[in-house]
Amino acid sequence: DSGVTQTPKHLITATGQRVTLRCSPRSGDLSVYWYQQSLDQGLQFLIQYYNGEERAKGNILERFSAQQFPDLHSELNLSSLELGDSALYFCASSVSGTPSWREKLFFGSGTQLSVL
Amino acid sequence: AQKITQTQPGMFVQEKEAVTLDCTYDTSDPSYGLFWYKQPSSGEMIFLIYQGSYDQQNATEGRYSLNFQKARKSANLVISASQLGDSAMYFCAMREVVDNAGGTSYGKLTFGQGTILTVHP
Repeated sequence: DSGVTQTPKHLITATGQRVTLRCSPRSGDLSVYWYQQSLDQGLQFLIQYYNGEERAKGNILERFSAQQFPDLHSELNLSSLELGDSALYFCASSVSGTPSWREKLFFGSGTQLSVL
Repeated sequence: AQKITQTQPGMFVQEKEAVTLDCTYDTSDPSYGLFWYKQPSSGEMIFLIYQGSYDQQNATEGRYSLNFQKARKSANLVISASQLGDSAMYFCAMREVVDNAGGTSYGKLTFGQGTILTVHP
């Protein structure tokens, strides 16, 4: 168990809908990262938050947004969903948000999103 | 150019044998970390092993070792004494300080495409 909790594990919804994915980082970790894993794109970095502030953005669509709350949990909001948004969404956490290449990222079990 | 390249889409190994999963990387940053993660069919990403760019010795974690050849920019994962439970997807990843645009990457990981390992009894 990595200590990173993601809910829900599975989500099935229809095109055009909006969903929220939730992530609780490991105790003591201040940084949260969101990744998307799809068959065609592989694992893609979406966005990083550190202690409530956005730190880095990757290939995140404008229809997607995220935030990190004072208790450090994070939510990824996906709106106007399309079939191509079906993927496994991972949250990861680490202690700091500074560019320390030595820090490990610990991943949650992921949320499998299916858009029908 | 791909930052992380895993050239083996699939690998097969006999139980109790050793197997090497290849990973090459591309960076101009002198400071970076290399990671291997395991993703079983259940989907979670499990951290296996880490190698820092300045580490003199190859990293080892139990049955996992990392064959780090800095000049060749390769970081191959060696699994010794394979077990049936080792059957999974394996990802190589890199963490840099500076990204391609010259900005700070803030520690995000860049992943390779993965290698599916199948262990036969």
